[in-house]
Amino acid sequence: GAGVSQSPSNKVTEKGKDVELRCDPISGHTALYWYRQSLGQGLEFLIYFQGNSAPDKSGLPSDRFSAERTGGSVSTLTIQRTQQEDSAVYLCASSLSRLSTDTQYFGPGTRLTVL
Amino acid sequence: GQQVMQIPQYQHVQEGEDFTTYCNSSTTLSNIQWYKQRPGGHPVFLIQLVKSGEVKKQKRLTFQFGEAKKNSSLHITATQTTDVGTYFCAGPNFSEKLVFGKGTKLTVNP
Repeated sequence: GAGVSQSPSNKVTEKGKDVELRCDPISGHTALYWYRQSLGQGLEFLIYFQGNSAPDKSGLPSDRFSAERTGGSVSTLTIQRTQQEDSAVYLCASSLSRLSTDTQYFGPGTRLTVL
Repeated sequence: GQQVMQIPQYQHVQEGEDFTTYCNSSTTLSNIQWYKQRPGGHPVFLIQLVKSGEVKKQKRLTFQFGEAKKNSSLHITATQTTDVGTYFCAGPNFSEKLVFGKGTKLTVNP
């Protein structure tokens, strides 16, 4: 079956522009996570969706970052007025449920470069 | 909040040498997961440990969960170039959200 997909795979934008990153989780997975990974660094948690519950936005670094998940499936991460420090790989992961024992399946990521 | 710490941050070995990475949590964990990220790739699940003192093996990889369920280790015997990558541990916080360590980056000299 299909895994987690993300688009675009690469995005180059100019400072100050808005960008939208898309994540298609595995069908039937109710939990969806966004992470940011700067070059050579670990995984920085951004936001987490679980079913119809209010998302956990505790990792969003500023109010320029927002995300939504429509119909409990596809998610979009939006970065407004991008800054050079936003350059990183944005990873999406999904799991069957919110239980911590559930494996997280990662997508290939979107590499964002802000010039 | 809960922290998951991994050491070392980097490890460089000669092919054939053993490698160990350690994961320590500030709180007791209900379970711990290990992931591997190859260079240029995305993290891929390796294994989950649940029981106190649990030891699991996958070929040359041995995973251990501490008796107090606050630490874990991953040991690779006789490393190969295919082992190159970053190894992450992850444990749940009080709200069941997985918290990832910063990872140990392994490089192997052929």
